Amino acid sequence: QKEVEQNSGPLSVPEGAIASLNCTYSDRGSQSFFWYRQYSGKSPELIMSIYSNGDKEDGRFTAQLNKASQYVSLLIRDSQPSDSATYLCAVSLIFGQGTTLQVKP
Amino acid sequence: DTGVSQNPRHKITKRGQNVTFRCDPISEHNRLYWYRQTLGQGPEFLTYFQNEAQLEKSRLLSDRFSAERPKGSFSTLEIQRTEQGDSAMYLCASSPLQGWTEAFFGQGTRLTVV
Repeated sequence: QKEVEQNSGPLSVPEGAIASLNCTYSDRGSQSFFWYRQYSGKSPELIMSIYSNGDKEDGRFTAQLNKASQYVSLLIRDSQPSDSATYLCAVSLIFGQGTTLQVKP
Repeated sequence: DTGVSQNPRHKITKRGQNVTFRCDPISEHNRLYWYRQTLGQGPEFLTYFQNEAQLEKSRLLSDRFSAERPKGSFSTLEIQRTEQGDSAMYLCASSPLQGWTEAFFGQGTRLTVV
């Protein structure tokens, strides 16, 4: 059974801070890793993909992958209230349960 | 609108009835995926197609569920003899042939079984 684990949160950070979201996975052979954002009542939207070890930056978002530790993370710099949402980690076809992020003004 | 389209957006049905949902993917996308999502959970993988071929089906999917993509374009998901536990949001997504990259989700069909 392939599993993707996330802390459900909520993770609360003040506006302007760095939010750190984490994800672990069980299938050591996984090759594709994704972060999605889902606002309440909406469908998931892709924000980052990462395929190789290391960091990948896109604007305020940085995805980090460590295949040896089977660990994926997402950093959101300068967090804004509009970043408040559920962040879903996906490993190939499998999603975690999501982490709810609350950014307080 | 060139996004993933799902119909209907909402469906209320009585227990024991059959329901069918439709998904129209982004036109140039060869892969199509079905997921189910309940409140507070992440999307649960159900099945996916590459063109008209159904390549993978979740073991969690009971035989009351069936999906088709007959011409490699739109897809349907049918649930027979619905149960209250089938109440959920059913999400469709599509991506290019290269794999689960730049996958886009539709707005989903919310099913309520009463």
